[in-house]
Amino acid sequence: EVQLVQSGAEVKKPGESLKLSCKGSGYSFTNYWIGWVRQMPGKGLEWMGIIYPGDSDTRYSPSFQGQVTISADKSLSTAYLQWSSLTASDTAMYYCARGLGVATKFDLWGQGTLVTVSS
Amino acid sequence: DIQMTQSPSTLSASVGDRVTITCRASQSIITWLAWYQQKPGKAPKLLIYKASSLESGVPSRFSGSGSGTEFTLTISSLQPDDFATYYCQQYNTYSTFGQGTKVEIK
Repeated sequence: EVQLVQSGAEVKKPGESLKLSCKGSGYSFTNYWIGWVRQMPGKGLEWMGIIYPGDSDTRYSPSFQGQVTISADKSLSTAYLQWSSLTASDTAMYYCARGLGVATKFDLWGQGTLVTVSS
Repeated sequence: DIQMTQSPSTLSASVGDRVTITCRASQSIITWLAWYQQKPGKAPKLLIYKASSLESGVPSRFSGSGSGTEFTLTISSLQPDDFATYYCQQYNTYSTFGQGTKVEIK
């Protein structure tokens, strides 16, 4: 089955670090880009950035540049989204999704990871 | 950044209605536009890509049109399963989503 499976929900305190994962299976992981999309509670979708696992070429939305790091390990067919120091405003659902280019539609989505940051 | 503006934000409709959602881009995106459906607690689902191409498995009552800066998503006869939130996405330059249109039961 072609799928993206994301890591489980997280509850963190402000200032803590966090790394989310997104594992692809059922397709050639290195032939597609993996994007990350944020959805804050009750709000819309925000494109954060995207990575090509084949060579780790990574691009960020200006809104998220410097705030998060996107990476990938092609040997594990897994992409990552990480923070070095969380704040309450990072509380959101985070989705990974598959596409064919830097600028791409997303034809396959992970189930989402809920991140809650609270003291 | 290319800004995407959807209208309306909320739409009340009945089963069987024809429904149209509009998406406007702040600059030309040619036809690099996709539409998604999202239900509560679920990931978005791709419906339409390249403005008017129907994703495999999506019912034919969904259609898209437009080019340049103005685009529409039409549901020809609204079904109970279609009550959801719909998002447009430009993918001409990186990517940006519209703010969403919630289709609710009238």
